[in-house]
Amino acid sequence: DAGVIQSPRHEVTEMGQEVTLRCKLISGHNSLFWYRQTMMRGLELLIYFNNNVPIDDSGMPEDRFSAKMPNASFSTLKIQPSEPRDSAVYFCASSLQGSSNQPQHFGDGTRLSIL
Amino acid sequence: GIQVEQSPPDLILQEGANSTLRCNFSDSVNNLQWFHQNPWGQLINLFYIPSGTKQNGRLSATTVATERYSLLYISSSQTTDSGVYFCAVTSRGGADGLTFGKGTHLIIQP
Repeated sequence: DAGVIQSPRHEVTEMGQEVTLRCKLISGHNSLFWYRQTMMRGLELLIYFNNNVPIDDSGMPEDRFSAKMPNASFSTLKIQPSEPRDSAVYFCASSLQGSSNQPQHFGDGTRLSIL
Repeated sequence: GIQVEQSPPDLILQEGANSTLRCNFSDSVNNLQWFHQNPWGQLINLFYIPSGTKQNGRLSATTVATERYSLLYISSSQTTDSGVYFCAVTSRGGADGLTFGKGTHLIIQP
């Protein structure tokens, strides 16, 4: 079975540009998580969805960041306008949440560099 | 929120050695996962282990939920075991997102 698929793998863009990161969940999973990894802060949760509904977005840095789930199998994370401090590796993870907790499965990440 | 502490922060071993990595957490957990981040940056699931003991080849893990810690054992280390090992948890009654420790950076020398 295919795992979580993220695109692009690498993105280099200039400050002020809009950036869109994409994530395809594992088939049948109903929870979607976006994480960010930086040297200073480590791995931290940005936002997560359950059954397409945003449940907790308290980790989203500011209004420049937005995330959507246009359907049950796909999500986007947008940064507009981007800034150099947004440079990081962004991971997407999915899981099947039901009566008991299940493990989260991570994509390979998108390495974002804002110049 | 829940706190996760990993030790040691760095570990350098010779190939063939055994190692034990520790994860302490500050509250009851629903989910505990161990990950290996390889040199390419991929986060590889090792174990989903909110309690009990599991083994997978040279790796095994034990979580003592009542005492709020988990251990990851690596036996007969190989150079491909090098990388950063993360422990991550979700707290019981809390949100479902994982809280990560700072990791243990493991270097296996040939």
